[in-house]
Amino acid sequence: AQRVTQPEKLLSVFKGAPVELKCNYSYSGSPELFWYVQYSRQRLQLLLRHISRESIKGFTADLNKGETSFHLKKPFAQEEDSAMYYCALQNTDKLIFGTGTRLQVFP
Amino acid sequence: DVKVTQSSRYLVKRTGEKVFLECVQDMDHENMFWYRQDPGLGLRLIYFSYDVKMKEKGDIPEGYSVSREKKERFSLILESASTNQTSMYLCASSPRTSGMADTQYFGPGTRLTVL
Repeated sequence: AQRVTQPEKLLSVFKGAPVELKCNYSYSGSPELFWYVQYSRQRLQLLLRHISRESIKGFTADLNKGETSFHLKKPFAQEEDSAMYYCALQNTDKLIFGTGTRLQVFP
Repeated sequence: DVKVTQSSRYLVKRTGEKVFLECVQDMDHENMFWYRQDPGLGLRLIYFSYDVKMKEKGDIPEGYSVSREKKERFSLILESASTNQTSMYLCASSPRTSGMADTQYFGPGTRLTVL
C-alpha cells in the first residue's frame, strides 16, 4: 500500500544548525514526491518537488529510491523556517500526506 | 496567482446540524479536494472531484458528502454533524495531471467546532 511516514512529530534546533526532516515512502511505481509547508497562520503551500531538483529557501530534498526516502535538508536553519512540514506522495491525481513534522528554530 | 477561497474561517455548529463548507477556485482547475487536518494525523483526504458532477471517495468519506455543480465550486456537506468532526478542513485544487505531478493549491482552511 502507498504510504508516507514522517517519524518525527517535532524537531527543535537552534538558529544556524543543520536541519534534516525525515520522510520515507512506500510506493510500487516510480514516485513523485513533494514537500509542503505551513507557516503560522498561513495556508499550506508547496515548498519543493523532487522532479524540479531545485533549492527553495535553502532547502533541498533528494530522492533515494534504495532507501525509499525523501528527506528535507537545510544546512543552516533560520528562525523563519519554523513551520509545519508535510511530505507528500503523488498517486494519480491525489496526494498522500505524511503526518507532518513541526520544525522549531530557536534564536 | 491561483486563489482558493473557503466560505468561512471559523464555524461553530451543534451536534446533528447540517453543515455546508464551500470552496471556490479561480484557475479553471479540473481537480478539487477536501481534506481534514488533525494534529498527529496529518492531512486525510475526504473526497475529491475530477470534473463537474464527478466525485470520488477519499480515505475517510464516512459522515460526509460533496457536491460539484460548477467547475469552480466544490462543497463539503456534513449531513448530521458530530463532535468527532471537529477539525480543520482544507480545500485544494489542481490542474489535471498529464503524466507529470502537479501542485495542489490550498485554501486558508475552515476550523469547524461541533458542540
